[in-house]
Amino acid sequence: DQQVKQNSPSLSVQEGRISILNCDYTNSMFDYFLWYKKYPAEGPTFLISISSIKDKNEDGRFTVFLNKSAKHLSLHIVPSQPGDSAVYFCAASPYNTDKLIFGTGTRLQVFP
Amino acid sequence: NAGVTQTPKFRILKIGQSMTLQCAQDMNHNYMYWYRQDPGMGLKLIYYSVGAGITDKGEVPNGYNVSRSTTEDFPLRLELAAPSQTSVYFCASSYSGENYGYTFGSGTRLTVV
Repeated sequence: DQQVKQNSPSLSVQEGRISILNCDYTNSMFDYFLWYKKYPAEGPTFLISISSIKDKNEDGRFTVFLNKSAKHLSLHIVPSQPGDSAVYFCAASPYNTDKLIFGTGTRLQVFP
Repeated sequence: NAGVTQTPKFRILKIGQSMTLQCAQDMNHNYMYWYRQDPGMGLKLIYYSVGAGITDKGEVPNGYNVSRSTTEDFPLRLELAAPSQTSVYFCASSYSGENYGYTFGSGTRLTVV
């Protein structure tokens, strides 16, 4: 019963182009969404988040879009850089809790 | 500025053995969590704690125990190791109400043979 789904296990993008990572969720009680980035042999690190009252949040090269009616969010990275190569996890938090439910991750590879 | 420290980094256990995974944070965070990451399965919450003396089960608690006697430490205990517990374990901490503030440790890779 995967409440947060990342259906693309991997994505390959050329340097300078846009990377789009997708995430779908099933629980309408989620009210906060986050993206984490993970390099090999390291723990995940926080990247960007969005509250359910917003539909877009931007931080430099990273933008997260939320479509509540479709229960879908996406992470856009523009322009993509080789250092962005990592596994990206989508996570969601149920209303009034501090617990995070993680997706299965998408491995992004940015090639020159 | 250590953040969240996990020990050991690697461990091989035989079936039926027990061990404790250590986790310590120096940021005075009140919330602490244990997750496991299996290949292709994302991170699953094992146990969490909202403060010293308070713990609660997550999604996959069976086979594990935790304690929280201090704000800083949150050890995870495996009593009878099973091959299904082969995984990478991550400890994390945060302030309550600040989901973006999860700080993760670098993980413990455990293999049960």
